[in-house]
Amino acid sequence: KNQVEQSPQSLIILEGKNCTLQCNYTVSPFSNLRWYKQDTGRGPVSLTIMTFSENTKSNGRYTATLDADTKQSSLHITASQLSDSASYICVVRVVRWGKLQFGAGTQVVVTP
Amino acid sequence: ETGVTQTPRHLVMGMTNKKSLKCEQHLGHNAMYWYKQSAKKPLELMFVYSLEERVENNSVPSRFSPECPNSSHLFLHLHTLQPEDSALYLCASSQEGLGGGNEKLFFGSGTQLSVL
Repeated sequence: KNQVEQSPQSLIILEGKNCTLQCNYTVSPFSNLRWYKQDTGRGPVSLTIMTFSENTKSNGRYTATLDADTKQSSLHITASQLSDSASYICVVRVVRWGKLQFGAGTQVVVTP
Repeated sequence: ETGVTQTPRHLVMGMTNKKSLKCEQHLGHNAMYWYKQSAKKPLELMFVYSLEERVENNSVPSRFSPECPNSSHLFLHLHTLQPEDSALYLCASSQEGLGGGNEKLFFGSGTQLSVL
């Protein structure tokens, strides 16, 4: 079982609407949690990196939250644009091995 | 662009072929990585090089052979692959290795590999 679970697997939203993606992890202890955006045919690009002591971090219309107690993170996209259509990947850095544990991603499609 | 360039972008090969994937980073980073991304699955780390030395080999079959001639270039040599090896192969780099804490990974656009 993957130690980083993302939901939903896919999501369709109308342009201009908001949406929230979820990431639950069982990795422990961890040092930071990252969200990446991967456009079709491209490699992932970093959106945010949060340490275990941070609760929220924003990057433009993207806001990530982290609850280290419940081991949950979310990525909120505000006023979605067509260019937000992509896969969003949650990644947790494992302290013990210094490794990155990847989620399978949430595929977001923004329609006009 | 991320500063990490991968070629070719697409590759179709038979199971008896030998081919190589190339990655070049223009960021002055010290660590480079190969990842495999299969459809709807998490990225899988294959190899890590730090300062041109292999520091990670995640039980990857020997039909995948990495080479890092210098800190800017990384190759993945392929031979006698299987159809299940079809995937997107991503190269990445970081300033330091994954032991560095909050280091950010920069990915290339990947090579979409199809094994027939």
